[in-house]
Amino acid sequence: EIVLTQSPGTLSLSPGERATLSCRASQSVSSSYLGWYQQKPGQAPRLLIYAASSRATGIPDRFSGSGSGTDFTLTISRLEPEDFAVYYCQQYGTSPLTFGGGTKVEIK
Amino acid sequence: QVQLQESGPGLVKPSQTLSLTCTVSGGSISSGSYYWSWIRQPAGKGLEWIGRIYTSGSTNYNPSLKSRVTISIDTSKNQFSLKLSSVTAADTAVYYCARKGDVWGQGTTVTVSS
Repeated sequence: EIVLTQSPGTLSLSPGERATLSCRASQSVSSSYLGWYQQKPGQAPRLLIYAASSRATGIPDRFSGSGSGTDFTLTISRLEPEDFAVYYCQQYGTSPLTFGGGTKVEIK
Repeated sequence: QVQLQESGPGLVKPSQTLSLTCTVSGGSISSGSYYWSWIRQPAGKGLEWIGRIYTSGSTNYNPSLKSRVTISIDTSKNQFSLKLSSVTAADTAVYYCARKGDVWGQGTTVTVSS
């Protein structure tokens, strides 16, 4: 099973600042099948990024993903008030599919 | 656009079987090269992938749950289902169904308690 480790656990930032979230895999993620999700309280997760760097439909371009192999990054270029949430990475290239433990982006 | 809706009992007794159904609307469950997943989330915790099924009927399960999980698909009803046997309080969670990763249901809370 591929274990995904997200860091930091919590990121305290102000609106307008840049957020950099990390997701490290215990082994190489097949074909960069790595996705990023945003989850707000009481809501289902929303897909932001798939295939490591492709934005999902309707996702603003301030969200970007990068990386390959075992190291992946989600960057939010300028935080908007609605971006404060929990973010999860998921690898879907190898069964069982696995999620990282999440990074909470909170208002400083 | 495609929408998913989970349904099933909100309360299950310990040792019984949890049964949930996900109904797909706005599109055919058989169209496209998708897989259909179940994911759960205990209150205040992270996401746990339970398993998935392809339209062909092929399945993959989380090894930690594999002995207790069955996912099935009914293309005639545009639904897929989850059965989790021998439940305990540790199975209390919000259960989500999803199409691959791009479309999710709103989630349904299942509590295991006598």
